[in-house]
Amino acid sequence: EAQVTQNPRYLITVTGKKLTVTCSQNMNHEYMSWYRQDPGLGLRQIYYSMNVEVTDKGDVPEGYKVSRKEKRNFPLILESPSPNQTSLYFCASSLGGPLTDTQYFGPGTRLTVL
Amino acid sequence: DQQVKQNSPSLSVQEGRISILNCDYTNSMFDYFLWYKKYPAEGPTFLISISSIKDKNEDGRFTVFLNKSAKHLSLHIVPSQPGDSAVYFCAASVSGSARQLTFGSGTQLTVLP
Repeated sequence: EAQVTQNPRYLITVTGKKLTVTCSQNMNHEYMSWYRQDPGLGLRQIYYSMNVEVTDKGDVPEGYKVSRKEKRNFPLILESPSPNQTSLYFCASSLGGPLTDTQYFGPGTRLTVL
Repeated sequence: DQQVKQNSPSLSVQEGRISILNCDYTNSMFDYFLWYKKYPAEGPTFLISISSIKDKNEDGRFTVFLNKSAKHLSLHIVPSQPGDSAVYFCAASVSGSARQLTFGSGTQLTVLP
């Protein structure tokens, strides 16, 4: 089954404790992206990757890091989480960019930073 | 400053009637528009899209209308079904930019049986 998986689905942590949210897709997609969803703001792009070892900033990259060492994986790293990073996070992938093919979204990771 | 706006946070419609969800944008460079649907505890799923060279695109019960002069698009669902109850996000992009979709804040549609 074609899918994008994220782990964990729910996470409660404390300020400053490094964490990683994993994202994996099994569709051999080149393009992957991270979004955060906040009330009243919709989805905002954090980082995206056009291919292995190619990443770039989205609209709200501050406080986040990503890496793309393999095509299927695109982890999101919060080196020193802060309460303003409490949000719902979605990973997405598509064959080309988000317009050349349908973006498939993961189920989301709800992060709470205390 | 939000470049894509969905001014109605929620909409309730009776089953079988038409649902109209609206979206406004401010960036005149946007030339490709998409609608995504999101159920609770799931990621958004692509619903329908439209290029700025068209003013209408239809897919089954779903039709998207684009009014470029007004910088406005709408999603019509006819007839509405209870399974359509979800949050609907409008998104826009400059087609030459592979990287980015700009999303609206979403509209919660509730279809009442």
